[in-house]
Amino acid sequence: ETGVTQTPRHLVMGMTNKKSLKCEQHLGHNAMYWYKQSAKKPLELMFVYSLEERVENNSVPSRFSPECPNSSHLFLHLHTLQPEDSALYLCASSQVIGVGTEAFFGQGTRLTVV
Amino acid sequence: GENVEQHPSTLSVQEGDSAVIKCTYSDSASNYFPWYKQELGKGPQLIIDIRSNVGEKKDQRIAVTLNKTAKHFSLHITETQPEDSAVYFCAATLSNFGNEKLTFGTGTRLTIIP
Repeated sequence: ETGVTQTPRHLVMGMTNKKSLKCEQHLGHNAMYWYKQSAKKPLELMFVYSLEERVENNSVPSRFSPECPNSSHLFLHLHTLQPEDSALYLCASSQVIGVGTEAFFGQGTRLTVV
Repeated sequence: GENVEQHPSTLSVQEGDSAVIKCTYSDSASNYFPWYKQELGKGPQLIIDIRSNVGEKKDQRIAVTLNKTAKHFSLHITETQPEDSAVYFCAATLSNFGNEKLTFGTGTRLTIIP
């Protein structure tokens, strides 16, 4: 148990659905991240939040909408996704943002878009 | 931006033998190089890291070496055990005004043969 919990673990959704991924960290960290992990591709950073403010948005399509209501919770709202968005979505947290601060990852949500 | 290449993509070694995974990076300003281990059904977990002011770091059976001139770094696992079977990711990052932005390699699937 790394202290970062993601729900649901698996999600199948149609292209017209709206769903949300949830991440919760119990480590008292101030920074939270969303990553996308696709087969045979490097982990892709999507969003970074520091103290509930978004500090990084890596050219992610608007069909992905993050929300960070407080430093312990992070959501990823999904709507009108495409089949190529099927992947493992990983949430991570760290004490602060900056070099050398270890990122703790959740187990991920396996998303399948049909 | 930074580009990280990782080799090999798959590696099988006999239990007790050593395993070596290599990564190269493109941005000579990168100064922090972590290695993550991802077991089946889990998120990546930091196992060792190295900063650009040292050439080697060791932690029990795991060691990482860094060659700044050649811009490559390697993970060495000695006396491998079945529990070492996992996917390993290297990463490189540059501290940029407090933002943390890890660029990951594509991963190496390590299988330890009993």
